[in-house]
Amino acid sequence: KAGVTQTPRYLIKTRGQQVTLSCSPISGHRSVSWYQQTPGQGLQFLFEYFSETQRNKGNFPGRFSGRQFSNSRSEMNVSTLELGDSALYLCASSPRTESYNEQFFGPGTRLTVL
Amino acid sequence: TQLLEQSPQFLSIQEGENLTVYCNSSSVFSSLQWYRQEPGEGPVLLVTVVTGGEVKKLKRLTFQFGDARKDSSLHITAAQPGDTGLYLCAGGSYIPTFGRGTSLIVHP
Repeated sequence: KAGVTQTPRYLIKTRGQQVTLSCSPISGHRSVSWYQQTPGQGLQFLFEYFSETQRNKGNFPGRFSGRQFSNSRSEMNVSTLELGDSALYLCASSPRTESYNEQFFGPGTRLTVL
Repeated sequence: TQLLEQSPQFLSIQEGENLTVYCNSSSVFSSLQWYRQEPGEGPVLLVTVVTGGEVKKLKRLTFQFGDARKDSSLHITAAQPGDTGLYLCAGGSYIPTFGRGTSLIVHP
């Protein structure tokens, strides 16, 4: 099976701009989660989508949003970018079994905000 | 909020040495996952432990889940440079919680 793919791999934006990141999950995985990873805060959960519905949400401002399409592909949007949004954004898909939540990560999108 | 604390934060060793990294919490987890992340890449799932006291082996890596399901350890035997990376533990059925990780460097 092909793994999780993310595009683009690298992005450079300026403060105030917005950005959209894309993720294609492993075939058959209906759950897609997004994470922000920074050296200072580690890996932090943004949100999870399952069957086109946001099922769980982390503690991030409303500038961070996402959606999932009927083919399970997902996009994440960050509006009004701030310097502190510079990070590695990771997408993960999961088969979402009953008792545990294994995450299969993509390579990430490295976002730099200038 | 379930928190996972990992120790040590950094580890720098020579090839052939053994090491153990720890993942601790005050909360009970139904399962814990271990991941390894290499620079510039996403974390890769190594193992899931589910049962208290469970031990799983993956070649030179041995994973153990505490009896009370509040802690886990990862032991690497005869470390190799290819083991270099950030080791992360994670748990939580609904919203995964990740530890801050142990950054391991194995020198040839």
